[in-house]
Amino acid sequence: GAVVSQHPSRVICKSGTSVKIECRSLDFQATTMFWYRQFPKKSLMLMATSNEGSKATYEQGVEKDKFLINHASLTLSTLTVTSAHPEDSSFYICSGRVPPDTQYFGPGTRLTVL
Amino acid sequence: KQEVTQIPAALSVPEGENLVLNCSFTDSAIYNLQWFRQDPGKGLTSLLLIQSSQREQTSGRLNASLDKSSGRSTLYIAASQPGDSATYLCRRNNDMRFGAGTRLTVKP
Repeated sequence: GAVVSQHPSRVICKSGTSVKIECRSLDFQATTMFWYRQFPKKSLMLMATSNEGSKATYEQGVEKDKFLINHASLTLSTLTVTSAHPEDSSFYICSGRVPPDTQYFGPGTRLTVL
Repeated sequence: KQEVTQIPAALSVPEGENLVLNCSFTDSAIYNLQWFRQDPGKGLTSLLLIQSSQREQTSGRLNASLDKSSGRSTLYIAASQPGDSATYLCRRNNDMRFGAGTRLTVKP
């Protein structure tokens, strides 16, 4: 199957700093990418859907100014957590979609905000 | 609020047992339903995708069924193995909403 990578796999940062997470589709073009977050022993929560070259669509309750998503190319989407706080600590997972229904998931990024 | 519920939340079985994981949704208007596996600290691996026009899908020891009228899907795992230990998630692809998952432990 297709491969999606995420970088970094783990990041620890101080409160108030910004963190950028990259999601790359390595062997396919993803016109649509999804960003999820997952709390321990909880399900994945869809944060936003990003389409290449356009603004991301955020789910209700997700602050677009805090979680900046950029999908500048068909193989790269980035999620920037701005002014991170301890409550933003979570496991962030991206996926790339191959129409109509197939999604390939990245391995996730564990963010810890001290 | 549209909900996807998975029961049980956790399951521990001895190796070799057949088991059933359940997924139910409040809105029976299903586009299609997908089952995933997630290993600790990892991303997701798609197991089975059931189109809305289908009733079941099979892959090896896994069989997933979809009953739209009752708003339920089941994942059947035959002859479970320790390597099956993981969290199993179902997702309704209308809105990409996941259930909370079932954490399965298969003991040798």
